[in-house]
Amino acid sequence: QQQVKQSPQSLIVQKGGISIINCAYENTAFDYFPWYQQFPGKGPALLIAIRPDVSEKKEGRFTISFNKSAKQFSLHIMDSQPGDSATYFCAAAGTYKYIFGTGTRLKVLA
Amino acid sequence: EAGVAQSPRYKIIEKRQSVAFWCNPISGHATLYWYQQILGQGPKLLIQFQNNGVVDDSQLPKDRFSAERLKGVDSTLKIQPAKLEDSAVYLCASSLGSLNTEAFFGQGTRLTVV
Repeated sequence: QQQVKQSPQSLIVQKGGISIINCAYENTAFDYFPWYQQFPGKGPALLIAIRPDVSEKKEGRFTISFNKSAKQFSLHIMDSQPGDSATYFCAAAGTYKYIFGTGTRLKVLA
Repeated sequence: EAGVAQSPRYKIIEKRQSVAFWCNPISGHATLYWYQQILGQGPKLLIQFQNNGVVDDSQLPKDRFSAERLKGVDSTLKIQPAKLEDSAVYLCASSLGSLNTEAFFGQGTRLTVV
């Protein structure tokens, strides 16, 4: 009930392409769904987040799509750049729970 | 605004030894988290504090791990005795309050148990 399943485990995209990472959760009590970006040797940093009252949120090249009935959400990175190469984690948060997915290692080829 | 401070950055110990990590959250942040991140995996929540009270420690191996948050500010995480499988990065994070919002992470402490 507390798991957040993330896929794919790794992703290679050409520069300018679209990167898509998917997550699924089980606990309907979660009410905050952030995506974090982590570079080697650094802690995760918030990229973008969504709450379940909206189905999509866009910030620059980053978009979260949220499907409440399917309990799934995804991150889309448009016009992917080599600087986007990092590990991406989805998370789901509820009262006194902040659970992370297993991560997706993204590599954007120049 | 100063970020979440953690120390030390790196630590190498032998199995069965003890080790302690320190975290200073962002000023005013009521919620503090300790996560364990094993290489290639996502952060796993060990313990969550709300001010100086524990609200979730269900994933903390209490036979060897302990944590405290004095006066609702700084926190320490201790492992005694350490096992080889405890090798990981230990991340501290803080957030503003009990409402689910952005968690700000420190750079972590990389522990190697040999």
